[in-house]
Amino acid sequence: LAKTTQPISMDSYEGQEVNITCSHNNIATNDYITWYQQFPSQGPRFIIQGYKTKVTNEVASLFIPADRKSSTLSLPRVSLSDTAVYYCLVGYRRDDKIIFGKGTRLHILP
Amino acid sequence: GAVVSQHPSRVICKSGTSVKIECRSLDFQATTMFWYRQFPKKSLMLMATSNEGSKATYEQGVEKDKFLINHASLTLSTLTVTSAHPEDSSFYICSATLAGGALDYSYEQYFGPGTRLTVT
Repeated sequence: LAKTTQPISMDSYEGQEVNITCSHNNIATNDYITWYQQFPSQGPRFIIQGYKTKVTNEVASLFIPADRKSSTLSLPRVSLSDTAVYYCLVGYRRDDKIIFGKGTRLHILP
Repeated sequence: GAVVSQHPSRVICKSGTSVKIECRSLDFQATTMFWYRQFPKKSLMLMATSNEGSKATYEQGVEKDKFLINHASLTLSTLTVTSAHPEDSSFYICSATLAGGALDYSYEQYFGPGTRLTVT
């Protein structure tokens, strides 16, 4: 499993765009990049998944450069409710075990 | 779709007793379920991988005789914490992956809401 590195914490303000970058230097050819969000005392929630270039859904965008050694989760116009821990995960198959890194604790300020 | 439930959501038990936590995939069949433990302000730690109809695979350092996992059907896995002690107090989370389908490459797992265990 590819190891991931993320900032431990980030602060931002309501209404701003937040970008969280994850490094995964030893990502394998078949690996996908997945981001999860976790609120206190809740299970993680799937945000977005991608393989290369850019993926966008209703809540976020995921930017992946050509070398795929990093990825950036972009949250547009954050609100206080986006305060959570965000995990970047790299892997291949759905039945592969997930090893969580430390995640990024995002704190949105009013 | 792809909802995973856990029961109970929180439980308090006395030291030395056993506690069973259920993980159910409500609207899909799950060949594989995972059990995690999370301490306050820490990341999720994988405890074991559970495959329907076979023995669970435990991560290093996780006692299989203390944390009994049963995955008897495609929609239910149970984790039993035997002879619980205060140090077992934690947040236990399960996740499940979809059975079959064309998206075998998809890394998406569906997580339950978690169970808060407090051992007194």
